Amino acid sequence: QKEVEQDPGPLSVPEGAIVSLNCTYSNSAFQYFMWYRQYSRKGPELLMYTYSSGNKEDGRFTAQVDKSSKYISLFIRDSQPSDSATYLCAMNKGSNYKLTFGKGTLLTVNP
Amino acid sequence: EAGVVQSPRYKIIEKKQPVAFWCNPISGHNTLYWYRQNLGQGPELLIRYENEEAVDDSQLPKDRFSAERLKGVDSTLKIQPAELGDSAVYLCASSLKPGTSGREQETQYFGPGTRLLVL
Repeated sequence: QKEVEQDPGPLSVPEGAIVSLNCTYSNSAFQYFMWYRQYSRKGPELLMYTYSSGNKEDGRFTAQVDKSSKYISLFIRDSQPSDSATYLCAMNKGSNYKLTFGKGTLLTVNP
Repeated sequence: EAGVVQSPRYKIIEKKQPVAFWCNPISGHNTLYWYRQNLGQGPELLIRYENEEAVDDSQLPKDRFSAERLKGVDSTLKIQPAELGDSAVYLCASSLKPGTSGREQETQYFGPGTRLLVL
């Protein structure tokens, strides 16, 4: 079993839809949780970063962490075609700099 | 400000040939990472540098892979000899040293990657 599990999709939604992306993990030592967005032929770029459990909102994006369930989510409201990309969850133990990534979920937002 | 620069962007070689990738991190970032991303997978760390010191190379296949970061700035990752299974995207990332900005976790900024195809 991999430390981080993420449904690779693909996920296709109409413009304006609410998108929900999720990851589960097995290592309870993870404390920092991140969502990266990766466009085709580009490197990942950080979208959201959360420490421990709770919610964090940034514009149309909301990240949720439930450490008791070892489950993290990213919600995208009013999705746009420009949101079409692969979304990678990532996490680490804090003082350990190594990021452990999920497989990524390929999202397509159709105009 | 320029981001992480990598070259070449694409490389096609035959198996058993050597190959090298170059990375120039963001100015002032003393932590540098090399990740490998296989098709349909997330990136996996190969090696992490703090300045010129390799502080985590536990995932680097040392029989054929080597890396260096002379003078603590640019870095080179080499594969010799390459195998078919080495086909992947090799990503370089850099960050400030944790705690620099007052947070324990510093953002890792990724370059565009080098796409390697071994035939």
